[in-house]
Amino acid sequence: RKEVEQDPGPFNVPEGATVAFNCTYSNSASQSFFWYRQDCRKEPKLLMSVYSSGNEDGRFTAQLNRASQYISLLIRDSKLSDSATYLCVVNAGNQFYFGTGTSLTVIP
Amino acid sequence: GAVVSQHPSWVICKSGTSVKIECRSLDFQATTMFWYRQFPKQSLMLMATSNEGSKATHEQGVEKDKFLINHASLTLSTLTVTSAHPEDSSFYICSARDFYEQFFGPGTRLTVL
Repeated sequence: RKEVEQDPGPFNVPEGATVAFNCTYSNSASQSFFWYRQDCRKEPKLLMSVYSSGNEDGRFTAQLNRASQYISLLIRDSKLSDSATYLCVVNAGNQFYFGTGTSLTVIP
Repeated sequence: GAVVSQHPSWVICKSGTSVKIECRSLDFQATTMFWYRQFPKQSLMLMATSNEGSKATHEQGVEKDKFLINHASLTLSTLTVTSAHPEDSSFYICSARDFYEQFFGPGTRLTVL
């Protein structure tokens, strides 16, 4: 079983739509959780950390469910510039484990 | 935030040659750096963990004698792809931790002809 699993998509949504991604992890001892954004042919960049209490940054909301071992990312009012691959990243010990990424395309 | 640089950003080489990629943490010291490889439309795959002053730890299936890693200082790790072959063509990304967050270099695109 993979450490981190994500639906690869692709998700094609119209501008202004709300879209949600989920990611599950297998190691119950995982300590910290992140969502990264990766544009084509570029390196991943941190979008937001995911806290137990949930956190929001503008149109982006991240949540963590430790009991069910999943994290989620909600994007409201999608913009064309949100088109990218979103990587779920889980930290356990000294290791970072990546999901395969979920591809999002926002359509005009 | 912290910055990680990589050099070169892209390289084309002939099959059988060796290619060295440098990864530098520019404004912080990193005792541990990570090397990843990413094939088209796939996720990042950890190749090895580079530890300053000691041997790197290669992931299962990654040949340590083919992918040589040297972490000579707290700000520099190098990955050498020895006797590169076309199947080694990929996007190589390094990263370094700044206490809590992991920062990625811009990546090196390697094409082996």
